[in-house]
Amino acid sequence: GAVVSQHPSRVICKSGTSVKIECRSLDFQATTMFWYRQFPKKSLMLMATSNEGSKATYEQGVEKDKFLINHASLTLSTLTVTSAHPEDSSFYICSARVARGGLETQYFGPGTRLLVL
Amino acid sequence: AQSVTQLDSQVPVFEEAPVELRCNYSSSVSVYLFWYVQYPNQGLQLLLKYLSGSTLVESINGFEAEFNKSQTSFHLRKPSVHISDTAEYFCAVSESQGGSEKLVFGKGTKLTVNP
Repeated sequence: GAVVSQHPSRVICKSGTSVKIECRSLDFQATTMFWYRQFPKKSLMLMATSNEGSKATYEQGVEKDKFLINHASLTLSTLTVTSAHPEDSSFYICSARVARGGLETQYFGPGTRLLVL
Repeated sequence: AQSVTQLDSQVPVFEEAPVELRCNYSSSVSVYLFWYVQYPNQGLQLLLKYLSGSTLVESINGFEAEFNKSQTSFHLRKPSVHISDTAEYFCAVSESQGGSEKLVFGKGTKLTVNP
């Protein structure tokens, strides 16, 4: 149980276009999802916390107009990279928060690799 | 602010050899510590965690980690590795007990087990 999927797994786009990445909880409902970004040879960095039915909470230094997050249902959160540029190329990973055994924890998706040309 | 340091970016070992993946953290508050594993083309999976109590925690596949508060470390060990243990391992800290809130990750250690 607690499977999280992401779509697409890889995407290549031209500079200036927008790209949408989906994060789905397949067998549970998640009121909270998280979006992380991973640069090569670097840590996963939390970008934002996505709450169903409300605005996302962004970490310091993350442009909310650049990385649009929508959590319209209890099983889906989307991250849209608007007007993508080569420096946005990265590995984007989402996670969903779920309670298991009386303890809340995060389950992670497989990630989406974005390459902006 | 919290931070996590994984000193080794890559660790190659032979099958059945012991391995230790190092993790040090810094935090001004009490933390909860986690090790996640990422197999090729898969998402992060929780391997083990330290929340409280015994400082030695174990996973179901033979890994163990020991919380050392004085050395601010949470090193991951396995006495005898298998080919199937080849993966990237991430150490993380959180201020929330289940890691349900913000997780701060290290850069990861790529473990390669050779025959």
